[in-house]
Amino acid sequence: EVYLLESGGGLVQPGGSLRLSCAASGFTFRSYAMHWVRQAPGRGLEWVSGIGGSDGNTYYADSVKGRFTISRDNSKNTVFLQMNSLRGEDTAIYFCARASSSPLFDYWGRGTLLTVSS
Amino acid sequence: DIQMTHSPSTLSASVGDRVTITCRASQSISSWLAWYQQKPGKAPKLLIYKASNLESGVPSRFSGSGSGTEFSLTITSLQPDDFATYYCQQYNSYPLTFGGGTKVDI
Repeated sequence: EVYLLESGGGLVQPGGSLRLSCAASGFTFRSYAMHWVRQAPGRGLEWVSGIGGSDGNTYYADSVKGRFTISRDNSKNTVFLQMNSLRGEDTAIYFCARASSSPLFDYWGRGTLLTVSS
Repeated sequence: DIQMTHSPSTLSASVGDRVTITCRASQSISSWLAWYQQKPGKAPKLLIYKASNLESGVPSRFSGSGSGTEFSLTITSLQPDDFATYYCQQYNSYPLTFGGGTKVDI
């Protein structure tokens, strides 16, 4: 069974940094692209970033480009999201999601909450 | 960026109703569209991919159609478990984008 477990969320001051992790199990991790999607309180879904499986190509939403960095460790079946220069508008639940053969999301984690506030 | 627009944003319906949600893309995305269902406090769930293909395990009362810029999700005979928010997502090009969602409530 595919399982994705996010961790690392919490309360951070504006301008601060945080790293999210997503531990995967139940599938051949290196064969799949992985993505982060966020949802601000009471709002809709926003794609944040993605990383290829074997090629490791990375993709970012304009709203986080230059501030967030996605990476993966295929030996540990884990994908990361390093978030710097955090802003209030980054406050959201961050979901980790597996991409099928195309960049749509067939499995999701339960999410981890990031709150950016002083 | 490709903008995705849902209509309506909220839909009130009853059990047994036939419900259709529309999603429009700001430019052609061929059939590269997915639909998700999300319930409060839960992660989204994939329902439909490539505009009209039903994800494994999804009830057959869900169907999708459309191509280019106009898409729809139809639920025939709405069930109590179907009251949720539905999102479309284009995966024609990066950045990937979601519509703002349609909430289906009683």
